[in-house]
Amino acid sequence: KAGVTQTPRYLIKTRGQQVTLSCSPISGHRSVSWYQQTPGQGLQFLFEYFSETQRNKGNFPGRFSGRQFSNSRSEMNVSTLELGDSALYLCASSLTSGRAGNTDTQYFGPGTRLTVL
Amino acid sequence: AQSVTQLDSHVSVSEGTPVLLRCNYSSSYSPSLFWYVQHPNKGLQLLLKYTSAATLVKGINGFEAEFKKSETSFHLTKPSAHMSDAAEYFCVVSDPTGTASKLTFGTGTRLQVTL
Repeated sequence: KAGVTQTPRYLIKTRGQQVTLSCSPISGHRSVSWYQQTPGQGLQFLFEYFSETQRNKGNFPGRFSGRQFSNSRSEMNVSTLELGDSALYLCASSLTSGRAGNTDTQYFGPGTRLTVL
Repeated sequence: AQSVTQLDSHVSVSEGTPVLLRCNYSSSYSPSLFWYVQHPNKGLQLLLKYTSAATLVKGINGFEAEFKKSETSFHLTKPSAHMSDAAEYFCVVSDPTGTASKLTFGTGTRLQVTL
């Protein structure tokens, strides 16, 4: 079974631009979560989608948004890029997050490295 | 709210010697705990997972971790380090309340393995 895939793997943008990152979960997985990894802040949770609905959101400004499609593929968008948005963006998928007490394992993709100049 | 503290930012061991990476957690609920490993320029790979079954959890590549509720610890160990174990290790807690779950990561421990 193929793992989580993320495209593109590397991206260079300039301040003020916007960017869209894509994530394809493992086949059959319905939950997709996004994380930002930086040397200063470490790994931080951005948001989680399940069945095309945002179920949970981290503490990031509204410039960061996402969506999920009916095939569970997800995109995240960052508008008006800032230098501090340079990071590795990781996507993770899990089987389900549709019930309380869920302990399903999240499987991570290789990430998209975004550089903002 | 949940949190994890990785007590060492950097650990260096010689090849063939034991590895100990320390993690303490804080959670208002009965937590699920994970260790993930990240090799340079790669994503995160799951090493092992604790979900209130056996307190000693065996993972991949010879790693294991013991859940100690009284000490709120979940330390990662391996009897004999290999050069390929050099990577960054993250202790992670999942607090699955409601109908969604999110992971809270520790700051990571960089493991260096020397000859």
